[in-house]
Amino acid sequence: GQNIDQPTEMTATEGAIVQINCTYQTSGFNGLFWYQQHAGEAPTFLSYNVLDGLEEKGRFSSFLSRSKGYSYLLLKELQMKDSASYLCADMDSNYQLIWGAGTKLIIKP
Amino acid sequence: DGGITQSPKYLFRKEGQNVTLSCEQNLNHDAMYWYRQDPGQGLRLIYYSQIVNDFQKGDIAEGYSVSREKKESFPLTVTSAQKNPTAFYLCASHTGETGELFFGEGSRLTVL
Repeated sequence: GQNIDQPTEMTATEGAIVQINCTYQTSGFNGLFWYQQHAGEAPTFLSYNVLDGLEEKGRFSSFLSRSKGYSYLLLKELQMKDSASYLCADMDSNYQLIWGAGTKLIIKP
Repeated sequence: DGGITQSPKYLFRKEGQNVTLSCEQNLNHDAMYWYRQDPGQGLRLIYYSQIVNDFQKGDIAEGYSVSREKKESFPLTVTSAQKNPTAFYLCASHTGETGELFFGEGSRLTVL
């Protein structure tokens, strides 16, 4: 079967660090995506991991462990504008994206 | 600049009417997708097309139809057979291999 799990909602404080986890079970694997989506807007691309390890891009980092079917998105130095939903998606063997329901991140001052 | 254009951004429809949402891309991408998003939910695939004149049903194709007569264009028709069409519709394109999926700005359809 195909399944993506991520927490529904998380709360963090401005200036802090937050880690959003994602686990996946799909037939075949061609990479793991993270997208950010502000309310009422289209998703915007954050990261793509196809090999194990950590990819760092400014305040955002993404980690992948293919053997564990696990990824996380790490956000550092949180800003109020980081309040959004974060979508995890796995690309299967047919190059189709399987989407998680998204994690709503609430940033408090 | 290259990108994906969806129109209209907001659309109101009476029950029983068909409506067509436009999606145009100038990224020279082979693959195009239509997703539906309901409040608090993830993206659900309606239809996708990996090449001109060919398209495949996604997970929730019932009540929708598409065409792919040109590489650049992938319009979605929401028919009267769709029982609950009020939603946010997103069009996306992709090279067809690994890499980023590009999204349009979305079309919000409300049935009155």
